[in-house]
Amino acid sequence: DQQVKQNSPSLSVQEGRISILNCDYTNSMFDYFLWYKKYPAEGPTFLISISSIKDKNEDGRFTVFLNKSAKHLSLHIVPSQPGDSAVYFCAASLTGTASKLTFGTGTRLQVTL
Amino acid sequence: KAGVTQTPRYLIKTRGQQVTLSCSPISGHRSVSWYQQTPGQGLQFLFEYFSETQRNKGNFPGRFSGRQFSNSRSEMNVSTLELGDSALYLCASSVTGRSSGNTIYFGEGSWLTVV
Repeated sequence: DQQVKQNSPSLSVQEGRISILNCDYTNSMFDYFLWYKKYPAEGPTFLISISSIKDKNEDGRFTVFLNKSAKHLSLHIVPSQPGDSAVYFCAASLTGTASKLTFGTGTRLQVTL
Repeated sequence: KAGVTQTPRYLIKTRGQQVTLSCSPISGHRSVSWYQQTPGQGLQFLFEYFSETQRNKGNFPGRFSGRQFSNSRSEMNVSTLELGDSALYLCASSVTGRSSGNTIYFGEGSWLTVV
């Protein structure tokens, strides 16, 4: 039962353009969502998060949007840079169990020159 | 400040053996959780420790166990290793691990290969 889904295994974007990574979830009890970036054989690096009481959170080039009614969140990276090439995971947690993250399957982002 | 530190980074074990992995959380973080990453199952939650007590547990067999010490350092143990246990084991820490807004930081991971 995949409660957090990233339906696009890969995405290719040109440098300078916008990258949009999508994530869907099925458990309406999730109340906190995070995005992580991961390189092979390394641990995930925290990028940005959003609480279910918000619909948008910005941090520099990264913006996360949350649509609770659609159970959908997205990560926008503007402008995309070659160093952004990595696998991106969305994750979700329930109230009171913030350390128990349920991860999506990841989207591999390739930013081309 | 120093991040989450995991040792060893790489190890090879034989089926049937056991293995112990170690994790030192970020200073001041009291919650330590463990995750397993495999190509087939992705990133899956193993368990979480807080104040030396297991607070949450994922859906893994009893061969997977852990503990936390008074200084918040944690170890996880896998007994009777199987080939399918080959994975990247990730440790994560946060201040309390309970309330939303507590960012969870991951270590570099320990690569376990079972032959």
